[in-house]
Amino acid sequence: EAGVTQFPSHSVIEKGQTVTLRCDPISGHDNLYWYRRVMGKEIKFLLHFVKESKQDESGMPNNRFLAERTGGTYSTLKVQPAELEDSGVYFCASSLGQVGSTEAFFGQGTRLTVV
Amino acid sequence: QKEVEQDPGPLSVPEGAIVSLNCTYSNSAFQYFMWYRQYSRKGPELLMYTYSSGNKEDGRFTAQVDKSSKYISLFIRDSQPSDSATYLCAMSSASGGSYIPTFGRGTSLIVHP
Repeated sequence: EAGVTQFPSHSVIEKGQTVTLRCDPISGHDNLYWYRRVMGKEIKFLLHFVKESKQDESGMPNNRFLAERTGGTYSTLKVQPAELEDSGVYFCASSLGQVGSTEAFFGQGTRLTVV
Repeated sequence: QKEVEQDPGPLSVPEGAIVSLNCTYSNSAFQYFMWYRQYSRKGPELLMYTYSSGNKEDGRFTAQVDKSSKYISLFIRDSQPSDSATYLCAMSSASGGSYIPTFGRGTSLIVHP
């Protein structure tokens, strides 16, 4: 069974540019989460989808970040325009039920560097 | 004060040693406690999951939760070089029906042969 996959694995962009990260969850997992880890800091929650609906987006830092989940399958996270402080590793995770009650499986992450 | 405190290490031990990893927390509403293991350039993988207080054992790994002290531990017996990784504690409550975990910074563990 394929795990959670994220594309690209690395991205280096200039300040002001746009970047789109993609996450393909495990098939059948309704719950999809985005997290971010800034260097030296904790993994922080960004948002939670249940199928195509945003269940909780309280962790989104500002309106430069836009997440979508088309048809309840894969998800994209767009950063526009990117700023230096957006650099970090962006993780996606998926689970059958809500995390905490069932196991969440993480992707390998996308390392974003804004220069 | 951060909700979850975890010493980032690194913690370096010889093969075969017993490893103790710890986290403290401040939110008394946390009920679900997790330990993740993360290898370099990989995503975190769930290692242990505990609900409320008590101990849980799985092979060489034992997780302990002391809610009265707001302190959780992960013990690794007979540590192996393959255990070298970053260990992240995470915890959550059922507040508002959401179980979104709060993570610690992670402790880097190095087990040398």
